[in-house]
Amino acid sequence: EAQVTQNPRYLITVTGKKLTVTCSQNMNHEYMSWYRQDPGLGLRQIYYSMNVEVTDKGDVPEGYKVSRKEKRNFPLILESPSPNQTSLYFCASSSPGDRGLLGQETQYFGPGTRLLVL
Amino acid sequence: AQKVTQAQTEISVVEKEDVTLDCVYETRDTTYYLFWYKQPPSGELVFLIRRNSFDEQNEISGRYSWNFQKSTSSFNFTITASQVVDSAVYFCALRVMYSGGGADGLTFGKGTHLIIQP
Repeated sequence: EAQVTQNPRYLITVTGKKLTVTCSQNMNHEYMSWYRQDPGLGLRQIYYSMNVEVTDKGDVPEGYKVSRKEKRNFPLILESPSPNQTSLYFCASSSPGDRGLLGQETQYFGPGTRLLVL
Repeated sequence: AQKVTQAQTEISVVEKEDVTLDCVYETRDTTYYLFWYKQPPSGELVFLIRRNSFDEQNEISGRYSWNFQKSTSSFNFTITASQVVDSAVYFCALRVMYSGGGADGLTFGKGTHLIIQP
């Protein structure tokens, strides 16, 4: 089954304690991204990666790090989490393709990770 | 920079009514994709449709239809004969494609919370 998995799904932590949220996809997709979703702000891109060893900042990269050592994995690292990083995080993967057709699924999102930083 | 605006924060209609969700986007690039996602109360993001910037053909899928108009930079989503199961937050998103083959991440609107009352 084609999917994007994230772990953990729920996490409560304390300020300053480093954490990593893992993301893995089994579709051999080149592109992977991280987003955070906050009430009233919608989804905002944190970082994205166009391929292995190629990453770039999104709209809200401060306080986050990523790495793309393997095509299937794109972990999100919070070196020193703060309460303003409490959010719902989504990982996504996709592959460049030609014209999309209705019903053809071209973007895959993980199930989300709810993070609470105390 | 890209921008997606969903001016309707919340819409509430009675079941069986038709409802249109507005999406206006801004980009200086000529090659891009537009998307609609549904986020039901369970939290996952469900892909609905992707449209190519060179294809303004409108799409219909059952009770769903999409109206893409480049002249007004809009990609509106209409649900006819709405049902309670349509209740969700709907996100419009934009993705710019680069001539070298790469792509930017998704730029999301803030979402429209659609409430279908029985």
